[in-house]
Amino acid sequence: SQQGEEDPQALSIQEGENATMNCSYKTSINNLQWYRQNSGRGLVHLILIRSNEREKHSGRLRVTLDTSKKSSSLLITASRAADTASYFCATDPGANNLFFGTGTRLTVIP
Amino acid sequence: DAGVIQSPRHEVTEMGQEVTLRCKPISGHDYLFWYRQTMMRGLELLIYFNNNVPIDDSGMPEDRFSAKMPNASFSTLKIQPSEPRDSAVYFCASSLPGGKNTEAFFGQGTRLTVV
Repeated sequence: SQQGEEDPQALSIQEGENATMNCSYKTSINNLQWYRQNSGRGLVHLILIRSNEREKHSGRLRVTLDTSKKSSSLLITASRAADTASYFCATDPGANNLFFGTGTRLTVIP
Repeated sequence: DAGVIQSPRHEVTEMGQEVTLRCKPISGHDYLFWYRQTMMRGLELLIYFNNNVPIDDSGMPEDRFSAKMPNASFSTLKIQPSEPRDSAVYFCASSLPGGKNTEAFFGQGTRLTVV
């Protein structure tokens, strides 16, 4: 399977704390993307990092990519209750398709 | 644009019946993806199209599943006959031309229940 795996499967933190989620994948990639899914809704794109990039920022989000270890991390700083959702990494192996990981369920407690 | 539009939002059907899920991608997007999401298997890529042509259908679980894209603004995923294990949320997504390094836009999904 080309699917990635997120770690941890579930994460519960207090509002204001930082949340870190990790993703490991198996094949070489063109890019890696992170998506968010609120319960009962479709996925929403958060950030894309290309295979030649090592770190990227977008607002309170910070993504790192280590292609030698085939891993990525998503850091959400100063978390809010509204950040409660499932977060997925997705890899593009170069065929213009996307394979999703298993997801991390984040709960931010007010 | 209203985004990717899927219909119906919910579908309950009896085992053995034919089910047709519909998707309207974002105008101008030339890639269209069908995914299935379950608790056990997560998000699975079933099939994707480029310029209305199926590129990879290796994720389609069985011959009971078929997908078509007769034009750039419409796609269907059909299950015939349906089985209880097909119960899942089915998502359609589309992306911009040039595929590489572009994000996918997802519809709200169709929750299918086969009883």
